[in-house]
Amino acid sequence: QQQVRQSPQSLTVWEGGTTVLTCSYEDSTFNYFPWYQQFPGEGPALLISILSVSDKKEDGRFTTFFNKREKKLSLHIIDSQPGDSATYFCAASASGSNNRIFFGDGTQLVVKP
Amino acid sequence: NSKVIQTPRYLVKGQGQKAKMRCIPEKGHPVVFWYQQNKNNEFKFLINFQNQEVLQQIDMTEKRFSAECPSNSPCSLEIQSSEAGDSALYLCASSLGTGNYAEQFFGPGTRLTVL
Repeated sequence: QQQVRQSPQSLTVWEGGTTVLTCSYEDSTFNYFPWYQQFPGEGPALLISILSVSDKKEDGRFTTFFNKREKKLSLHIIDSQPGDSATYFCAASASGSNNRIFFGDGTQLVVKP
Repeated sequence: NSKVIQTPRYLVKGQGQKAKMRCIPEKGHPVVFWYQQNKNNEFKFLINFQNQEVLQQIDMTEKRFSAECPSNSPCSLEIQSSEAGDSALYLCASSLGTGNYAEQFFGPGTRLTVL
């Protein structure tokens, strides 16, 4: 059973535009939600994360929103750059899980100049 | 930037052969994770360790997969008898703790191809 679902599977935006990625989850015990960025040939790297007690976290051009009632979250990238072209993974984990992370299937983002 | 080191970067094996890959976690990180990322970008948690002790592992690893993190040596993941379905990117990650807020730092992975 897929614990974390992402959409869209792929997305193309123009340079300078806003990218919006969405994610939903099933397990109500999840309380930590990291977003990972992965470039070809590399492992995933933490981009931004949010705890379930918050509804928004911002880091530069990247903002993640969290809706606990709907079990949904999103990642917004403003002023998207060609260097942002990568695969983005929504993930989730729960306290007491030995930090086991459940990943979504990713969104492949292409930012065109 | 992550300093998790994984070797080899690429591994090609025939069906039924052993496949072994290694991971050196970031210095000072006692917790190590192994994940499998398939061609559809689906991640599967395999096993994690704290120092040399297994914390959690899925059923798959109890059969053909084995892993260890010996003291003062690289961690390793070994597939005893490779199958075509094992072809994937195997990612090692390390973190400072087991609390779920502890960031996991990933290596570049070992890409296994089973012919």
